[in-house]
Amino acid sequence: EVRLVQSGAEVKKPGESLKISCQGSGFTFSHYFIAWVRQMPGKGLEWIGVVYPGDSETKYSPSFQGQVTISADKSINTAYLQWSSLKASDTAMYYCARHRKYSGSYFNDYWGQGTLVTVS
Amino acid sequence: SYVLTQSPSVSVAPGKTARITCGGDNIGSKIVHWYQQKAGQAPVVVLSEENDRPSGIPDRFSGSNSGNTATLTITSVEAGDEADYYCQVWDIYTDQSVFGGGTQLTVL
Repeated sequence: EVRLVQSGAEVKKPGESLKISCQGSGFTFSHYFIAWVRQMPGKGLEWIGVVYPGDSETKYSPSFQGQVTISADKSINTAYLQWSSLKASDTAMYYCARHRKYSGSYFNDYWGQGTLVTVS
Repeated sequence: SYVLTQSPSVSVAPGKTARITCGGDNIGSKIVHWYQQKAGQAPVVVLSEENDRPSGIPDRFSGSNSGNTATLTITSVEAGDEADYYCQVWDIYTDQSVFGGGTQLTVL
């Protein structure tokens, strides 16, 4: 069974750093991109970027480039999303999802349960 | 960057048909994926292209895609279909995923 399990909710102050995680199981983790998606309170889904754990290749949305860092450790089947200096506007639910190729496209077939980040 | 536009809300009575649209420049040339997000839950993919449904998704969910509009059609709507629905495409020119703004489906 494919599973993505995310780390727990976080409450942080502005200016603090944070790293949240997403551990995969039930599939060959290093063979799939892992995506991160933001959902601000009461708002829609926003694609942050992806990491390929096999070689740590990353791609970012221009809206998030330079604001966050995506990484992965294939030895423990875990992807990460981190901030060096949080802002109140980073308050959101963050989802990881398996990013699967589909006929020249990509989509997200399995999702983690979400990590709520509150910056206040 | 590529933009997908969805109507904010759709309301439908139980047993009727709901149509949720997703607009984008020449979206008919792209593969569209649809996600359902129920309150307090993570999104779930319900459809890829016009009729590729994951196991467990009923055939009441179907799609179409032509020109500048893709449509998710839900027939015989049930109370359990009440959720937010998002369209998504992969933009090969920018190597990015793009989500529509989402449509809230209300079952009356």
